[in-house]
Amino acid sequence: QKEVEQNSGPLSVPEGAIASLNCTYSDRGSQSFFWYRQYSGKSPELIMSIYSNGDKEDGRFTAQLNKASQYVSLLIRDSQPSDSATYLCAVRSNYQLIWGAGTKLIIKP
Amino acid sequence: SAVISQKPSRDICQRGTSLTIQCQVDSQVTMMFWYRQQPGQSLTLIATANQGSEATYESGFVIDKFPISRPNLTFSTLTVSNMSPEDSSIYLCSVLLRDRSYEQYFGPGTRLTVT
Repeated sequence: QKEVEQNSGPLSVPEGAIASLNCTYSDRGSQSFFWYRQYSGKSPELIMSIYSNGDKEDGRFTAQLNKASQYVSLLIRDSQPSDSATYLCAVRSNYQLIWGAGTKLIIKP
Repeated sequence: SAVISQKPSRDICQRGTSLTIQCQVDSQVTMMFWYRQQPGQSLTLIATANQGSEATYESGFVIDKFPISRPNLTFSTLTVSNMSPEDSSIYLCSVLLRDRSYEQYFGPGTRLTVT
């Protein structure tokens, strides 16, 4: 059974701080990794994709991948109240995505 | 990315009836997916719908309950048949973009309430 694990939270972070979201996966052969943001009542929105070991930065977001440890993370710098949402980690296995349960992030003003 | 629309955006239906949800994409895509998301839960894949072939259903989902059509590369429908309150959920259409490194995008969803 291929699994993706996330801490369900909620994770509370002060405004302006760095939010760190973590995800581990079981399928060592996975090659594609994604972070989605989902606001309450909305559909998931793709915010980061990463395919090779190391860091990938896009604005205030940085995705980090360590395939040896089967670990992928998302850092949000200068957190804003608008970043409050549930963040879903997804790992591709063939053409399907295996989903984590999501981490609820709360940014406190 | 792709622009994905779904109809209806929400509906309230009576037990025993059926609802057909439409998904329209602004570009041709080979692979489309239908998901269900219960409140406070993660996403559950119902089926994969490829144009020109029968939909592939995940464990726990059957064609008689969730028939899917995929008549062309930009459109698909999911029918929720003989509904019960347990079918109350958000239903999401999703597409896989091969020219975007196999990134997957979602429609806005259909919120279904069965009374």
